[in-house]
Amino acid sequence: AQKITQTQPGMFVQEKEAVTLDCTYDTSDQSYGLFWYKQPSSGEMIFLIYQGSYDEQNATEGRYSLNFQKARKSANLVISASQLGDSAMYFCAMREGLDTGNQFYFGTGTSLTVIP
Amino acid sequence: ETGVTQSPTHLIKTRGQQVTLRCSSQSGHNTVSWYQQALGQGPQFIFQYYREEENGRGNFPPRFSGLQFPNYSSELNVNALELDDSALYLCASSPRTGGVEKLFFGSGTQLSVL
Repeated sequence: AQKITQTQPGMFVQEKEAVTLDCTYDTSDQSYGLFWYKQPSSGEMIFLIYQGSYDEQNATEGRYSLNFQKARKSANLVISASQLGDSAMYFCAMREGLDTGNQFYFGTGTSLTVIP
Repeated sequence: ETGVTQSPTHLIKTRGQQVTLRCSSQSGHNTVSWYQQALGQGPQFIFQYYREEENGRGNFPPRFSGLQFPNYSSELNVNALELDDSALYLCASSPRTGGVEKLFFGSGTQLSVL
């Protein structure tokens, strides 16, 4: 089974509007971390936001927020007030357990296009 | 603060050859991970190095090997290249401070195997 599932290959959003990128995860661990990364055409993966499995509040980082629904095993990224520079690939990722040596599992990504 | 740098940015090899990719970790980071990203896919974990030793490995054959040096820089070596090895290879470093360990990525090396 896939550890991370992103079901939206591509999304379009009007500039200044909000958009939600979906992510579901699969793990039997009680301790895990969920991450979102942005990958522009340059190739570099840029960290956006983190949510720990024990965090009771949804994480927020500027225009980014993570809608964490633990029972549904979903960790959707919400981008508010979209900007043209937000056009990129977005990847959801998970690290299981507390061992910092554990690998990150990435989804297949969602391509976001912001329309002027 | 210098970020993660990778070299070369692009590389073309033929099947059966060997390749070495290089990565300089971000200042203060002692852990380096390598990921393979095939076209249209998410990154796949190859292995991680901590204190110059392999500290975790994904589902990749032994012809994928690595090194970490005392200055925490790292190399990824791939022997007997196959066509399916064509991908973007991403290096990521992290500080291993015990807190939230997010990965800091380089821009990658695009490897094409002909």
